[in-house]
Amino acid sequence: KNEVEQSPQNLTAQEGEFITINCSYSVGISALHWLQQHPGGGIVSLFMLSSGKKKHGRLIATINIQEKHSSLHITASHPRDSAVYICAAGVGNNDMRFGAGTRLTVKP
Amino acid sequence: DVKVTQSSRYLVKRTGEKVFLECVQDMDHENMFWYRQDPGLGLRLIYFSYDVKMKEKGDIPEGYSVSREKKERFSLILESASTNQTSMYLCASSSGSGTDTQYFGPGTRLTVL
Repeated sequence: KNEVEQSPQNLTAQEGEFITINCSYSVGISALHWLQQHPGGGIVSLFMLSSGKKKHGRLIATINIQEKHSSLHITASHPRDSAVYICAAGVGNNDMRFGAGTRLTVKP
Repeated sequence: DVKVTQSSRYLVKRTGEKVFLECVQDMDHENMFWYRQDPGLGLRLIYFSYDVKMKEKGDIPEGYSVSREKKERFSLILESASTNQTSMYLCASSSGSGTDTQYFGPGTRLTVL
């Protein structure tokens, strides 16, 4: 079993829909990261959080440390949000464990 | 803005060739990483370096070596490329501990024929 599990693997939504991507982890973490990878490869860090909730524009990330679970929400989704979203657990000492990613497609 | 660049976006090599992938970062980061990314497996760490001339094996170092002669440059070397090393290779850097945000390069898609 992977240490970081994401669901769903693939997600298709209509423009405007509210989207949730889930991440569960089984390791102790110092921080949980959400990354975005657009077609072509480049990865961008969206959030790093160790408790509570963070918001950036239409993106919201939450984490429940007790349940070892994090969610990434996208409000009012747009086709430009189409990307692969990756959850990563920072376990300290330069060690990060990555989920397999969720491929999101938002249709106009 | 942090910038991490990789020497090639696409590379095609033949089995047995020696392959060099180069990564350069411009933010004076101590830590640099090489990952490979395969469908369904996510990112897997090959090697990382926390200082010049220092290196640590990641999860899948077999078949690879690295070199860090200067702080800004981290090279990944495939001594004798094999078809199972066809993959997307991503370089990243970070400034401090493992909790710090890693900044990624654009990736190199390597095909070994």
